[in-house]
Amino acid sequence: DAKTTQPPSMDCAEGRAANLPCNHSTISGNEYVYWYRQIHSQGPQYIIHGLKNNETNEMASLIITEDRKSSTLILPHATLRDTAVYYCIVRSSSNDYKLSFGAGTTVTVRA
Amino acid sequence: EAGVVQSPRYKIIEKKQPVAFWCNPISGHNTLYWYLQNLGQGPELLIRYENEEAVDDSQLPKDRFSAERLKGVDSTLKIQPAELGDSAVYLCASSLDRDGEQFFGPGTRLTVL
Repeated sequence: DAKTTQPPSMDCAEGRAANLPCNHSTISGNEYVYWYRQIHSQGPQYIIHGLKNNETNEMASLIITEDRKSSTLILPHATLRDTAVYYCIVRSSSNDYKLSFGAGTTVTVRA
Repeated sequence: EAGVVQSPRYKIIEKKQPVAFWCNPISGHNTLYWYLQNLGQGPELLIRYENEEAVDDSQLPKDRFSAERLKGVDSTLKIQPAELGDSAVYLCASSLDRDGEQFFGPGTRLTVL
């Protein structure tokens, strides 16, 4: 499985965009990039996923570099409720679509 | 639509006692997962069911852990006997099928004294 590398923590100001980086330099062609987040005392929550193209939904945008070796999750207008641990995961049929969670990035949104 | 339901939310037991966790997945979801989450770490898969069949239980410590998913709907995860190191959050998730988005329940926080 391709591994991901994320910074352990980052702070963000409320109302500003939060840009969360993820490195997946060993990703292969059929592997998707998934993002989940986990708010304190809750189960993980799906945010977004992509293969090659940039993706956007009501929660976030996902920017994947052309070589697919890294990606950035963008929370356009962070709120206090976005404070959570964010997990970047590589997923594919070759590993039976397993979600292999690392330690993630602890994002703290400050007023 | 109801999400994944787990009970109990919290459980405190003494070591060597048995304990069981229950999960009700989202209606219509064929795939069910049990994860273990230790403090400060990401969840780790214990077992995955496709309907009533356990298709991946390679990470389940079979000497003390067992799971079942009768009729391919609800599932229970059991530990017997519990050890101090089993203190963790046990998460259940479900998806329509194996490559679908996984929806997680709130988890059961187990404390073994």
